[in-house]
Amino acid sequence: DAGVIQSPRHEVTEMGQEVTLRCKPISGHNSLFWYRQTMMRGLELLIYFNNNVPIDDSGMPEDRFSAKMPNASFSTLKIQPSEPRDSAVYFCASSGTGGPDTQYFGPGTRLTVL
Amino acid sequence: AQSVSQHNHHVILSEAASLELGCNYSYGGTVNLFWYVQYPGQHLQLLLKYFSGDPLVKGIKGFEAEFIKSKFSFNLRKPSVQWSDTAEYFCAVNSGGYQKVTFGTGTKLQVIP
Repeated sequence: DAGVIQSPRHEVTEMGQEVTLRCKPISGHNSLFWYRQTMMRGLELLIYFNNNVPIDDSGMPEDRFSAKMPNASFSTLKIQPSEPRDSAVYFCASSGTGGPDTQYFGPGTRLTVL
Repeated sequence: AQSVSQHNHHVILSEAASLELGCNYSYGGTVNLFWYVQYPGQHLQLLLKYFSGDPLVKGIKGFEAEFIKSKFSFNLRKPSVQWSDTAEYFCAVNSGGYQKVTFGTGTKLQVIP
């Protein structure tokens, strides 16, 4: 299995630019999670989807952040416009069917906003 | 709402020392509990999990955790740590049958050779 795939692995951009992070979950998994990890705030859940439907987006920091899951094999997290305080590692994770289950994390995207 | 507390933020041990990392959760109903590990520069991966049954759970690399319902705790233990155990450890809780998992703030473990 390829595991959870994220792209890009590193992104450096300037303040005000649009950033799009991509995630491909493990085939057959029906839940997908976006997390942000920083030294100051630790690991934060931003949003999660079940069967492509957003279930809980209470962790999305503000309107500049948006996430979509157009199909079972692809999700995006978009930041527009980006700000330096958005600099962090963004992880995508997926898990299988049913109720609680192990989450499998992708390698993360390290975002730096200058 | 569920929450998780990890009281030790940074732990430094010598090789062969015993390890115990504390984890307490707040939720009165049925819970599922996890420990994840993040090695330097890597993503999180599952160390062990408890859903039901024997409250003493054994995971990979010699780690184990004990679920004590009366204390709302799920502490992680290892009798003898190695330098390769240097990592950040996250406790996590899930409840109510939903997929959402709440992570603790993490404990950084540094093992000195």
